[in-house]
Amino acid sequence: QQPVQSPQAVILREGEDAVINCSSSKALYSVHWYRQKHGEAPVFLMILLKGGEQKGHDKISASFNEKKQQSSLYLTASQLSYSGTYFCGTEGGSGTYKYIFGTGTRLKVLA
Amino acid sequence: NAGVTQTPKFRILKIGQSMTLQCTQDMNHNYMYWYRQDPGMGLKLIYYSVGAGITDKGEVPNGYNVSRSTTEDFPLRLELAAPSQTSVYFCASSEGQGVDFHFGNGTRLTVT
Repeated sequence: QQPVQSPQAVILREGEDAVINCSSSKALYSVHWYRQKHGEAPVFLMILLKGGEQKGHDKISASFNEKKQQSSLYLTASQLSYSGTYFCGTEGGSGTYKYIFGTGTRLKVLA
Repeated sequence: NAGVTQTPKFRILKIGQSMTLQCTQDMNHNYMYWYRQDPGMGLKLIYYSVGAGITDKGEVPNGYNVSRSTTEDFPLRLELAAPSQTSVYFCASSEGQGVDFHFGNGTRLTVT
């Protein structure tokens, strides 16, 4: 079952912060985050492998709470280039080699 | 490295026609996947493979078939195309389950 992301869409002004959540009904062993620009393929942002782990890349960071089966992506001081659709990706459940994506969050940053 | 290469980039099919979407990767990845993305929507897994000769169904396999005769190639076959199959199709490969994930540039398919 597809992880659910919230919010579905968000509009920000440059310099504002945003949080995108990814929740799964199944146990998560790792979570990956991707950004997709319109008309392009998704691009990998980061991977989180352990419960409670946090990682950062420039002004984008993420946390992973395996007990709550959720991950959050934090975008700080957003830039115009952050606009796009964000997806979390994860295994499709234990005993399977599926790799599935969350429902997606559309982010638009305005000048 | 070319990464993951998909062909064609665009295709228009008539209802009932068949076609094969080609996907090849040069990274020696064992895992390969096919996803479809409807306009404004997320990515849905169609089929995946964990190695040559091994394939399995994803979330939305109906109307599609795949084969994996080599590590490099993972073609997706559409039989009897239907308007509901109008979508953008992405092929991807990874070293492990979701590890070092690479997407192709996509095939935009329209069925009319």
